[in-house]
Amino acid sequence: SQQGEEDPQALSIQEGENATMNCSYKTSINNLQWYRQNSGRGLVHLILIRSNEREKHSGRLRVTLDTSKKSSSLLITASRAADTASYFCATVLNNNDMRFGAGTRLTVKP
Amino acid sequence: DAGITQSPRYKITETGRQVTLMCHQTWSHSYMFWYRQDLGHGLRLIYYSAAADITDKGEVPDGYVVSRSKTENFPLTLESATRSQTSVYFCASSGGGQFFGPGTRLTVL
Repeated sequence: SQQGEEDPQALSIQEGENATMNCSYKTSINNLQWYRQNSGRGLVHLILIRSNEREKHSGRLRVTLDTSKKSSSLLITASRAADTASYFCATVLNNNDMRFGAGTRLTVKP
Repeated sequence: DAGITQSPRYKITETGRQVTLMCHQTWSHSYMFWYRQDLGHGLRLIYYSAAADITDKGEVPDGYVVSRSKTENFPLTLESATRSQTSVYFCASSGGGQFFGPGTRLTVL
């Protein structure tokens, strides 16, 4: 069964706007990771946040983690058309088992 | 070339045939993984390996066999392919984040 569940399933915004995607999970985790997948391509690792961290930044990406609510969010600021992709959260359990959600399909309109 | 590669990239086979998907990584990562990706399911873990000669079942292991005789290789075998195994298969290795191969699109007729 899926551990992480992304919300929304699909998001369409204009270039320059911010995009926020959420991920909820069910069990305790070691870390949570976000990935991007362009259509027909493999996954690209974006960012990893550990269970004892609350926020991380990487360029235009900001990830938060709330272990009490078992949720994470990915914020992409000043979006670009090239950000159009599917975004997946993945939870890593303490036995290194990684589970992916079904993803959020982001469309950024120029 | 450094990185993680998969072969073949595309495969069409028939029900009942044996198929082996290859995965090779050059980083000497201890952990390697096999996932399948289907619409509506995201990625689901089939098998993973913590090191050479150590493998373990993931979420959907039935119908698949893996081996890890060398750290750099992690082949996935479908011993008797079924139509439900039509999917895109991704191999990954772990070092910090997970690094994914380009995927193998398998069609079982």
